[in-house]
Amino acid sequence: AQTVTQSQPEMSVQEAETVTLSCTYDTSENNYYLFWYKQPPSRQMILVIRQEAYKQQNATENRFSVNFQKAAKSFSLKISDSQLGDTAMYFCAFMKHTTSGTYKYIFGTGTRLKVLA
Amino acid sequence: NAGVMQNPRHLVRRRGQEARLRCSPMKGHSHVYWYRQLPEEGLKFMVYLQKENIIDESGMPKERFSAEFPKEGPSILRIQQVVRGDSAAYFCASSPQPTVMNTEAFFGQGTRLTVV
Repeated sequence: AQTVTQSQPEMSVQEAETVTLSCTYDTSENNYYLFWYKQPPSRQMILVIRQEAYKQQNATENRFSVNFQKAAKSFSLKISDSQLGDTAMYFCAFMKHTTSGTYKYIFGTGTRLKVLA
Repeated sequence: NAGVMQNPRHLVRRRGQEARLRCSPMKGHSHVYWYRQLPEEGLKFMVYLQKENIIDESGMPKERFSAEFPKEGPSILRIQQVVRGDSAAYFCASSPQPTVMNTEAFFGQGTRLTVV
């Protein structure tokens, strides 16, 4: 069974600084997808960034980038130039797509990030 | 193009009552997923439905919980005889037919159920 572990329940960062959120996962699969979702106080789940396991290049999306280490099963999120609006819960998620057309996300327990003015 | 719509946003039920949570997927999406989020925890998978068909219900409690996604209308998550431990946020996500190129499910804003 797949598991996702986020070992940092809470983190804080000064505005304009850089912060890295950790995520490790456990799977025996070779093809899968990894995601970071942001959940602000509104509770809306917002996709931040995704990574396909078959791609070696780390995904980037503006100020957000990942460090994907497939052999180590590690998938950390780096937020550069942190902004107050980045304050939220961040969830790491694993998803495997099957040929039968089924999939489901497995989520970590989240990291609460607070950006300080 | 409206996103995934869940209603109500907040639902209060007394112990023993029934709770009905509705989810209207995005236009063109035929797959719906329900997740439960307990306080200070991540989202836990409950059930995955296609129209008129339950694909995977491995995360659903064996009793009191049921889900449907009829040919017409929203998906419904029903909880009978609610107990305090059912208090949580329930999220719905939808997607089109999954393919290797299409991996994203879109989430609604959730329904917060409070059992008093």
